[in-house]
Amino acid sequence: KNQVEQSPQSLIILEGKNCTLQCNYTVSPFSNLRWYKQDTGRGPVSLTIMTFSENTKSNGRYTATLDADTKQSSLHITASQLSDSASYICVVNGNYQLIWGAGTKLIIKP
Amino acid sequence: DSGVTQTPKHLITATGQRVTLRCSPRSGDLSVYWYQQSLDQGLQFLIQYYNGEERAKGNILERFSAQQFPDLHSELNLSSLELGDSALYFCASSVVPGQGTTGELFFGEGSRLTVL
Repeated sequence: KNQVEQSPQSLIILEGKNCTLQCNYTVSPFSNLRWYKQDTGRGPVSLTIMTFSENTKSNGRYTATLDADTKQSSLHITASQLSDSASYICVVNGNYQLIWGAGTKLIIKP
Repeated sequence: DSGVTQTPKHLITATGQRVTLRCSPRSGDLSVYWYQQSLDQGLQFLIQYYNGEERAKGNILERFSAQQFPDLHSELNLSSLELGDSALYFCASSVVPGQGTTGELFFGEGSRLTVL
C-alpha cells in the first residue's frame, strides 16, 4: 500500500537551533517528492520538489535530501526563526497521484 | 499570495443544509484540485478537474460534487451536511494536467466550513 510516514509527529525547539524532519515512503512507482510548509489555518506552500535523480535541494534555510534507495527524505532547517513554526508535510508523487504525509508540527520557542 | 482565490473564507451553517464553495485558479492554470482538512488532520484529496473534465477522484463522499466551468473556475457543492463535514476546504491549481508530474500546486487560503 502506498504510504508516507513522517516523524516526529511534533517538535519543539528554541529559536536559532537547527532541526531535521524525517519522511519515509513506500510509494511505487516514484516520480517526485515534495515538501510543503503549512501555517496554521493557511494553505500549504511548496518548499522543494525533488525528482529521482536529485539527492539534495535547498531553498534558503531549508535543505531537503532524498535517498531513493532507502525511500527516505529529510528536511533540515537551519538557524530556526519564529516564523518557521508550522506544519511540514511530505508528499510523494507516484503513479500519477499524490500521497500526503500527516505532517510534522514544528514549534519554535523564543 | 498564491493567485488562487477561494470564497467564502468562512461559512457557518446547520446540519442538513447545502453549501457551495468557489475557487478561481491562477491565471493560465487548467487544473483545479479540492482538498479537505479536518481539525489537526492531514489533507485529504477529494477531486481534480482539468480543463473542465474530471481527471481524478479521491475520497469524495457521494453527498459532495464538483465541477469546473468554461472560465476554469470551480465549485465544490456539499449537501446534506453533517457535523463531521466541518473542516477547511482547500482549492489548489496547477498548469499541468495531472498530479503525476513535477508541476507545482498552488493553494488558496481555504474556506472554513462550520456545521452546527
